[in-house]
Amino acid sequence: DTAVSQTPKYLVTQMGNDKSIKCEQNLGHDTMYWYKQDSKKFLKIMFSYNNKELIINETVPNRFSPKSPDKAHLNLHINSLELGDSAVYFCASSQRLIDTEAFFGQGTRLTVV
Amino acid sequence: QQQVKQSPQSLIVQKGGISIINCAYENTAFDYFPWYQQFPGKGPALLIAIRPDVSEKKEGRFTISFNKSAKQFSLHIMDSQPGDSATYFCAASYTGGFKTIFGAGTRLFVKA
Repeated sequence: DTAVSQTPKYLVTQMGNDKSIKCEQNLGHDTMYWYKQDSKKFLKIMFSYNNKELIINETVPNRFSPKSPDKAHLNLHINSLELGDSAVYFCASSQRLIDTEAFFGQGTRLTVV
Repeated sequence: QQQVKQSPQSLIVQKGGISIINCAYENTAFDYFPWYQQFPGKGPALLIAIRPDVSEKKEGRFTISFNKSAKQFSLHIMDSQPGDSATYFCAASYTGGFKTIFGAGTRLFVKA
């Protein structure tokens, strides 16, 4: 059973399109995250959600809109895609109050052409 | 701002050698310092972690050394193996916080 699963694994799309990435965790964690990893492997947090509520938005353009329908799901919708959005996007989860280990999904490689 | 600085950017080690990766942090509120290992095409996975009340933690061939006064910590991989070739990230967070700050990553290549 995959702990944190995200779909799709690969996404190729044209500039200006809108796309979504889905994430689900079956660990019972109360906190979920989106991270962006650029071509140099640098991992930067984008959003943190705790119990479906947005806690952290790290100055991400408002073209990126996360949505958490329940504690186990955190989806990422991106409007008007730009070339610079090309990256690998990772969903992660943790049980904030117990320990802070983050469990990561396998990533979604987004390529904007 | 970069709150966790990691070096070197890349590292080549002979099989059987010791790999050493260093990190420094700025925020004294951090109280959890994990190291993550990432293989190509995969998400980062926790390798080993330490809290600042101990100066060293060892798990198999992996050891974290922690220097609270210098705000530095390092990962030592003993008897490095080709299978250890991956990108390693140091990170920092604090209990009750909602994010983990990652270092820039070190690409380790272990030559057979």
